[in-house]
Amino acid sequence: EADIYQTPRYLVIGTGKKITLECSQTMGHDKMYWYQQDPGMELHLIHYSYGVNSTEKGDLSSESTVSRIRTEHFPLTLESARPSHTSQYLCASSAFKEFNSPLHFGNGTRLTVT
Amino acid sequence: GESVGLHLPTLSVQEGDNSIINCAYSNSASDYFIWYKQESGKGPQFIIDIRSNMDKRQGQRVTVLLNKTVKHLSLQIAATQPGDSAVYFCAEVTSNAGGTSYGKLTFGQGTILTVHP
Repeated sequence: EADIYQTPRYLVIGTGKKITLECSQTMGHDKMYWYQQDPGMELHLIHYSYGVNSTEKGDLSSESTVSRIRTEHFPLTLESARPSHTSQYLCASSAFKEFNSPLHFGNGTRLTVT
Repeated sequence: GESVGLHLPTLSVQEGDNSIINCAYSNSASDYFIWYKQESGKGPQFIIDIRSNMDKRQGQRVTVLLNKTVKHLSLQIAATQPGDSAVYFCAEVTSNAGGTSYGKLTFGQGTILTVHP
């Protein structure tokens, strides 16, 4: 059913490691987003993109970076993971041409940094 | 700052009952609202949306009501089923001055709906 895919689903990694969370969508959506969500809490926007070569920081400050080289792909990278980065990361996309179109979410990556 | 919040963090109902989940928003300039359902281990799933020029919108077993006077949003689920058990989030979008929106959603804390058979 999902047209937006995130890998890995779960990741446990040690402090200081570099990680990349993958996100791909097959809907041809121009807009893509990364949200961070702690268990039972609201979602916070950390990055978004209007299209290829467009990246913007969201409301919540994050040490992660993103890139948008292809329309369908919006990876998120942490150069040096820390325990404070432990959280769930949700990727989403929406159609730019549709005014106020809803976001479609992936199933998330649950990251644990030890 | 602007925020979207939910009145009740948890709601328990019996199967077959109607459920009402409430949401208050603080930004009067918000013009688009969405309800999402999030099941354990999954991303939020779109349920229904409503624009600020509407008061009510109906979907399959769900109805969203918007009261702009008191900045209140509600989600009504008819004949609630065990499969409706999840966390429900409301979210608001505020368009920029040009009338377009980059789709930035402000989410509330969420309401846990538990449906007992």
